Amino acid sequence: AQSVTQLGSHVSVSEGALVLLRCNYSSSVPPYLFWYVQYPNQGLQLLLKYTTGATLVKGINGFEAEFKKSETSFHLTKPSAHMSDAAEYFCAVSVMNRDDKIIFGKGTRLHILP
Amino acid sequence: KAGVTQTPRYLIKTRGQQVTLSCSPISGHRSVSWYQQTPGQGLQFLFEYFSETQRNKGNFPGRFSGRQFSNSRSEMNVSTLELGDSALYLCASSLRARDKNEAFFGQGTRLTVV
Repeated sequence: AQSVTQLGSHVSVSEGALVLLRCNYSSSVPPYLFWYVQYPNQGLQLLLKYTTGATLVKGINGFEAEFKKSETSFHLTKPSAHMSDAAEYFCAVSVMNRDDKIIFGKGTRLHILP
Repeated sequence: KAGVTQTPRYLIKTRGQQVTLSCSPISGHRSVSWYQQTPGQGLQFLFEYFSETQRNKGNFPGRFSGRQFSNSRSEMNVSTLELGDSALYLCASSLRARDKNEAFFGQGTRLTVV
């Protein structure tokens, strides 16, 4: 069965600094990996996804993530944080088999310091 | 293309009552999943429906039930409401096709049980 672990339920970075949100997954077969963002009182919005091919994936709002099979990781980064990036971020994993529901991590709340 | 629509957006109910929430998926999406989100437990999977059949079920009591109609619209029902059922309920739809299985979320229904 798949699982996702997000390290750090809260992360604070200064405006303009590097954003790094960590995600490790467990899957017995090649996974599909996702990052979602949630703003207050809103649903989740897809930031980016990895299915196959290039391991560095670029998403919306300047975010990107790199699939590292050897480390079973899919960390989310952004070179320069903006105040509008303050939100909760969820990493998720799925595989295409009979039981292919998407499994979400517990989320990381990103705080941007002025 | 219209997104996922959840109704109502906000709901206040009394303990012991029952509630029905509605979700209209993106046109063409046959998979609908439901999640409960609370500050303490994070995002928890309730169940998934595909072509009117329940495919997956999370670890929730039988008071939580759902169904899907032939037009892919889905409803979830919670009977005998408890205070702990207060949460944001999110619905997500998906194509459930290879490389196109990301979930698209509605804005959620905020349920408050008093």
